[in-house]
Amino acid sequence: GQSLEQPSEVTAVEGAIVQINCTYQTSGFYGLSWYQQHDGGAPTFLSYNALDGLEETGRFSSFLSRSDSYGYLLLQELQMKDSASYFCAVRDHERDSNYQLIWGAGTKLIIKP
Amino acid sequence: DTAVSQTPKYLVTQMGNDKSIKCEQNLGHDTMYWYKQDSKKFLKIMFSYNNKELIINETVPNRFSPKSPDKAHLNLHINSLELGDSAVYFCASSHSSGGADTQYFGPGTRLTVL
Repeated sequence: GQSLEQPSEVTAVEGAIVQINCTYQTSGFYGLSWYQQHDGGAPTFLSYNALDGLEETGRFSSFLSRSDSYGYLLLQELQMKDSASYFCAVRDHERDSNYQLIWGAGTKLIIKP
Repeated sequence: DTAVSQTPKYLVTQMGNDKSIKCEQNLGHDTMYWYKQDSKKFLKIMFSYNNKELIINETVPNRFSPKSPDKAHLNLHINSLELGDSAVYFCASSHSSGGADTQYFGPGTRLTVL
């Protein structure tokens, strides 16, 4: 079967660093994506990892370890505007060679002043 | 310019009614999707079309029928609406159906069935 696990909620302080973990179980792993969704808004793309290692984009970084079926999103210098839900999604091609995104349930990030 | 647009943004209707949600993308993408996001924020893929052809059809009641008149449009028609259909429906598009293509989401349509 296919499954992704991520914490339902994480709380951090403004200016701090927070890591949101994602573990996955799929049969045809292709890559791990992260999306951000503010309350009332639409998911927006943050990052994509196809290979092992760390990808950095400004204050956000994403890490992948394919051997451990594990990835994380690292947010540095947290700002209040980073309060949102963060979804990991795995690109899988188990079914009929059509790639589709398998989504985690999302992690609600709460930032306190 | 809005990349992926949906109408309406809000839809309130009675049980048993039939309603449609429209989606258009001006990104020149080949693939479009419909997602349902429930109150617990879980994103569930419903359908995916590639160049007007259905490629993903998850376990969705046949009251839901997607239609793609061209690759820039993917509409969703729902018959005999039920209370459990209340959710936010997102349309999305990507360059293609494979590889590492980023999905671009519309603003969502909040459907409330009374």
